[in-house]
Amino acid sequence: EDQVTQSPEALRLQEGESSSLNCSYTVSGLRGLFWYRQDPGKGPEFLFTLYSAGEEKEKERLKATLTKKESFLHITAPKPEDSATYLCAVQAGLKAAGNKLTFGGGTRVLVKP
Amino acid sequence: DTGVSQNPRHKITKRGQNVTFRCDPISEHNRLYWYRQTLGQGPEFLTYFQNEAQLEKSRLLSDRFSAERPKGSFSTLEIQRTEQGDSAMYLCASRPPGLSGNTIYFGEGSWLTVV
Repeated sequence: EDQVTQSPEALRLQEGESSSLNCSYTVSGLRGLFWYRQDPGKGPEFLFTLYSAGEEKEKERLKATLTKKESFLHITAPKPEDSATYLCAVQAGLKAAGNKLTFGGGTRVLVKP
Repeated sequence: DTGVSQNPRHKITKRGQNVTFRCDPISEHNRLYWYRQTLGQGPEFLTYFQNEAQLEKSRLLSDRFSAERPKGSFSTLEIQRTEQGDSAMYLCASRPPGLSGNTIYFGEGSWLTVV
């Protein structure tokens, strides 16, 4: 069974204080690893997809990296508007109808000014 | 707005009542998913449609839950005889056809509170 574990559960940062979120996974044949941002009361908003170990993607202050067992989401010099829950999900490629996503529990990030 | 649309956004119902949620996916997305999310948790997969065919159902989807996608466009999720444990946000997502469409896009969700 595919499993995704995110740590820490919550992260409080001062504005400008860089940090990293971890996503550890076990999956039968990784098709893709996804990062989403979720604001309170809203649906998840797509950020990145990573497909193979060593791949990196960046968007503004966010950078996602992937190894064979985990992914990191680095937040560089965060601003208060980066406060949100960040969700990691894996998409299995083997015998998975529709290539559904299996999510971790998320990391709640609060950036204080 | 051409994103995934869900209605109603909020629903408060008494225990034992039936509720129905509707999802309109992004145009031309033939794949549609339903997820459930409780506070502090990540979304959990419920069911998947490709066009009008329901191809996978999670064991979380008890016999009180039924989902349809009659013409391969919009979808409905009905919960019969609601229980307090059904209180959650129900998320719909869609994905384009073919190998080029790997990203799954989510709607804003439908909040259900069972009192």
